Amino acid sequence: SAVISQKPSRDICQRGTSLTIQCQVDSQVTMMFWYRQQPGQSLTLIATANQGSEATYESGFVIDKFPISRPNLTFSTLTVSNMSPEDSSIYLCSVEGAAGSPYEQYFGPGTRLTVT
Amino acid sequence: GQQVMQIPQYQHVQEGEDFTTYCNSSTTLSNIQWYKQRPGGHPVFLIQLVKSGEVKKQKRLTFQFGEAKKNSSLHITATQTTDVGTYFCAGPSGNEKLTFGTGTRLTIIP
Repeated sequence: SAVISQKPSRDICQRGTSLTIQCQVDSQVTMMFWYRQQPGQSLTLIATANQGSEATYESGFVIDKFPISRPNLTFSTLTVSNMSPEDSSIYLCSVEGAAGSPYEQYFGPGTRLTVT
Repeated sequence: GQQVMQIPQYQHVQEGEDFTTYCNSSTTLSNIQWYKQRPGGHPVFLIQLVKSGEVKKQKRLTFQFGEAKKNSSLHITATQTTDVGTYFCAGPSGNEKLTFGTGTRLTIIP
C-alpha cells in the first residue's frame, strides 16, 4: 500500500494568481498522477507526472496552465497557473505501482481549491 | 474517446435492501477496477477484474465483469450505513490510463 499526503488541504485564491500543490508518498512508486474532481462529479485525469522528464498531459490540459514537477519517486507538485473561477475544484494526487500493489491506485486526500 | 457510463446516477435505499450499480464502456476493456469514495473523502480501491465473465466477492459485495469485457456490475447485499458513498468503475483507455466512470451515489435511509 501507499500513504499519500497533500499540501495544502484547501485554499482560497484570487483570480490571476497561481497555487502549487504538493504530493508526498511514503514509499517509492512507479506512477504518479494528478486528477481534478468537481464536487459531485467523476475524476478527470490531468496528467501523468514522469520522474526526471516532462509530464504527459491529457487532452484539454496544457503545461503552461498546469506545470508539473516530479524530482524523485516519492514527490510531485502541480501548479495551477493564472487561476480563474473555473479552476475551482478538488485536485487529487494518486500513485500506482507501490510495493505489493502493482495496479491499484492510491489517492491522496485532495486539495480543495476555490478561486474568487 | 473512451466513455464509461454508470447507472443509476443516484440510488437511495432503505438500510437492509440490496443495491446494484452498472458500468458500461464504449470500448472493450483489458480490466475493470472499482473504487469507493465516501462523502468528503478520496477514492479507495476495492477490486480489479481481468477475465471475461469473472465474478469476485468481498463479504456483501459481488463484482462481475461481462463476457464481452465492456460492462461490469457491483451488487451490495443487505446494505448498511457504512456503504454510503459514490462507487466508481474505471477502465484503462487507449494510453493505458484509467478512465473513471460517471459514478453512482448511494445513500442509505436508516
